[in-house]
Amino acid sequence: ETGVTQTPRHLVMGMTNKKSLKCEQHLGHNAMYWYKQSAKKPLELMFVYNFKEQTENNSVPSRFSPECPNSSHLFLHLHTLQPEDSALYLCASSQDGTSGNEQFFGPGTRLTVL
Amino acid sequence: AQSVTQLDSHVSVSEGTPVLLRCNYSSSYSPSLFWYVQHPNKGLQLLLKYTSAATLVKGINGFEAEFKKSETSFHLTKPSAHMSDAAEYFCVVSVLSGNTPLVFGKGTRLSVIA
Repeated sequence: ETGVTQTPRHLVMGMTNKKSLKCEQHLGHNAMYWYKQSAKKPLELMFVYNFKEQTENNSVPSRFSPECPNSSHLFLHLHTLQPEDSALYLCASSQDGTSGNEQFFGPGTRLTVL
Repeated sequence: AQSVTQLDSHVSVSEGTPVLLRCNYSSSYSPSLFWYVQHPNKGLQLLLKYTSAATLVKGINGFEAEFKKSETSFHLTKPSAHMSDAAEYFCVVSVLSGNTPLVFGKGTRLSVIA
């Protein structure tokens, strides 16, 4: 497996469920990111991890909980979501958190909240 | 603060004709600029990147972009459109120092007509 992988690719969940999204990068990078992509809206940065430390939390509701156990893995734990949280969730990685570094994206998880 | 404006939400061209996707940026410092492409149900892929070297940047799949500081523009062009170019294109700005995350434009959807 190369690049950035995300599982699952599709997820349907009820508002009372708890689920997790997984991201893995095979590029030897030290920074990882979660983005939310909703229809008709710009890409929204949610969280940034640099060398396993969270460096950015872009006012994301607490029903989204990130976890970065090491530089290669990033999780997004979901609980008591709302229908408006339905979106494509993209994971990305870069060499480190320094500006100017391009980010490499995974294919995304399409989340539907019923 | 950095910002980016993609001037067209949708561009439609005929196969074999030139492509022009327009992007203007605002940055207090020397910017890094990127173009990403997103095909349906896929993640974002880097097309090209400008980081204060040559102002004309060549990317993958025949795309190129020219950094024009006087016009604060970074338009994406391709001499001849191919059906496989139909996708969403994002102009992105960052700065060359610090930990400022990438700032994404709203995207331009390119349609290619046979």
